[in-house]
Amino acid sequence: QKEVEQNSGPLSVPEGAIASLNCTYSDRGSQSFFWYRQYSGKSPELIMSIYSNGDKEDGRFTAQLNKASQYVSLLIRDSQPSDSATYLCAVSLRAGGFKTIFGAGTRLFVKA
Amino acid sequence: DTAVSQTPKYLVTQMGNDKSIKCEQNLGHDTMYWYKQDSKKFLKIMFSYNNKELIINETVPNRFSPKSPDKAHLNLHINSLELGDSAVYFCASSQVVRNEQFFGPGTRLTVL
Repeated sequence: QKEVEQNSGPLSVPEGAIASLNCTYSDRGSQSFFWYRQYSGKSPELIMSIYSNGDKEDGRFTAQLNKASQYVSLLIRDSQPSDSATYLCAVSLRAGGFKTIFGAGTRLFVKA
Repeated sequence: DTAVSQTPKYLVTQMGNDKSIKCEQNLGHDTMYWYKQDSKKFLKIMFSYNNKELIINETVPNRFSPKSPDKAHLNLHINSLELGDSAVYFCASSQVVRNEQFFGPGTRLTVL
């Protein structure tokens, strides 16, 4: 079983719609959860971090964490063509340091 | 005033050669990382240093040797390069407490 699983997509949504990206993780001891955005040919960029159960909102982005279900999601409201990228879910464990495991990423296309 | 910088951006070399990649961060972070992103875009941690001390050393061939002369620098030396080493190598840094990682622009290594 992969440690961090994401649907590879592509996920295609029309401009202005809500994009919903999902991630599950296997280690119940995971403490920190992140969403990174990676444009083609560029480096990953942190867009959201979440550390406790519930929702965290930042502008058009909302991260949701459910530790009981081992589930993290990212909602992007009013999706824009510039949101088209690969979204990486990342989970940090504590094993002599903060080891971060990345999912394989979900490709998002926002159609104008 | 780049936050995390890497040199070189591109590296093309022959099999069997030795090469180095340098990384510097000016964010005042205490932890630095090396990641490998292969052709399938999967991002995998290789090494992590906290305050110049190696804290994560994943299953990586011992041809790869990281060195951290100080908290702001983390270099990666690769001996006897092989075709399978071709990938994009990312340096990242964070404060270990929150582990929100900031990535450098990447070094695309091509081994011929």
